[in-house]
Amino acid sequence: KAGVTQTPRYLIKTRGQQVTLSCSPISGHRSVSWYQQTPGQGLQFLFEYFSETQRNKGNFPGRFSGRQFSNSRSEMNVSTLELGDSALYLCASSSRTPNTEAFFGQGTRLTVV
Amino acid sequence: GDSVTQMEGPVTLSEEAFLTINCTYTATGYPSLFWYVQYPGEGLQLLLKATKADDKGSNKGFEATYRKETTSFHLEKGSVQVSDSAVYFCALRSNTGNQFYFGTGTSLTVIP
Repeated sequence: KAGVTQTPRYLIKTRGQQVTLSCSPISGHRSVSWYQQTPGQGLQFLFEYFSETQRNKGNFPGRFSGRQFSNSRSEMNVSTLELGDSALYLCASSSRTPNTEAFFGQGTRLTVV
Repeated sequence: GDSVTQMEGPVTLSEEAFLTINCTYTATGYPSLFWYVQYPGEGLQLLLKATKADDKGSNKGFEATYRKETTSFHLEKGSVQVSDSAVYFCALRSNTGNQFYFGTGTSLTVIP
């Protein structure tokens, strides 16, 4: 079955702009989580969506937001971009069946200039 | 709260050397434990997993045993190859929720 699809793969934005990233999970998976990965901070949890509702949230400012649609596809939005938002943004899809793993997309590389 | 502590890197080894990457965890209950691998420019891929105490996960010559008494899940490989060069992440999934917790990652470079 198809894996986790993230679009776009690469983005270059200017400070102050906003950006929307998209993630299509594995068919049948209703949980989508987002992570920010940077060389200095490693892998940091942003938020998790399940059944169109945010279930968990990491320690990020309100400029970072997300949503999930009825088909389980998810988007995350970052407003008023800062240079420090440059990172690889990873989406992970999972089922809520206990003991199962998360499946990751290839990520979106965001560069803020 | 739940957390994972992973051996700091980077680690550089010669081909055919023995690899150990240490991972310990803190969790309530009985989490599932995972090792993920990330190649340059890619997302994380599941390498192996273990879902209960004393389980051994294995894949591609890598092994890790779920040790509840020492709250550890160390990754080992008997003979590394250049193609094993990547970043390795230890992770746990709480059995009380859906959140995954990741270690900071260990960069491995294998030189010929």
